[in-house]
Amino acid sequence: RKEVEQDPGPFNVPEGATVAFNCTYSNSASQSFFWYRQDCRKEPKLLMSVYSSGNEDGRFTAQLNRASQYISLLIRDSKLSDSATYLCLSSNTGKLIFGQGTTLQVKP
Amino acid sequence: NAGVMQNPRHLVRRRGQEARLRCSPMKGHSHVYWYRQLPEEGLKFMVYLQKENIIDESGMPKERFSAEFPKEGPSILRIQQVVRGDSAAYFCASSQSETPYEQYFGPGTRLTVT
Repeated sequence: RKEVEQDPGPFNVPEGATVAFNCTYSNSASQSFFWYRQDCRKEPKLLMSVYSSGNEDGRFTAQLNRASQYISLLIRDSKLSDSATYLCLSSNTGKLIFGQGTTLQVKP
Repeated sequence: NAGVMQNPRHLVRRRGQEARLRCSPMKGHSHVYWYRQLPEEGLKFMVYLQKENIIDESGMPKERFSAEFPKEGPSILRIQQVVRGDSAAYFCASSQSETPYEQYFGPGTRLTVT
């Protein structure tokens, strides 16, 4: 079993839809979590950090569920420009593990 | 404030040659991370360095690969005697301090071994 797992998708959704991705982690000692976005195998770009209390940035909401050991990313009102691969990152005192990524395709 | 810089952006090497990949972190960042992304695969952590120190190299292959981050100058990822399986995108990221501070990625070096 991988330490950090994501459903690779692709998730095909129409513009305006709400879509959510989960990322599960197996190491309960993991301390910090982040969501990154990667376009066409370019460099990953930090989307948002994930805080225990949950956090929101515009149309994006990130949640952490320590009891069930997963983080989630919710995208509301999807735009064509949201089409990308979304990577979760788990960190435990410097040990860094990315998930495989979930591909989102937003269709007109 | 320039972002993370990597060079070269594309590197072609024949089997058996050496590859040197450079990474200049963002200004004010003293922590550097190297990742490898094979075609159709996710990002794999290789090594984490601070100035003049290797903090975690648990993701680095034991042979042929080495990394350094000298007091002056960029971080270098060195691959000796490259093989076809080394063909990948190599990304460098930097952070202000040890995580949980956010990492910012460079554009990557695409290594092709012929």
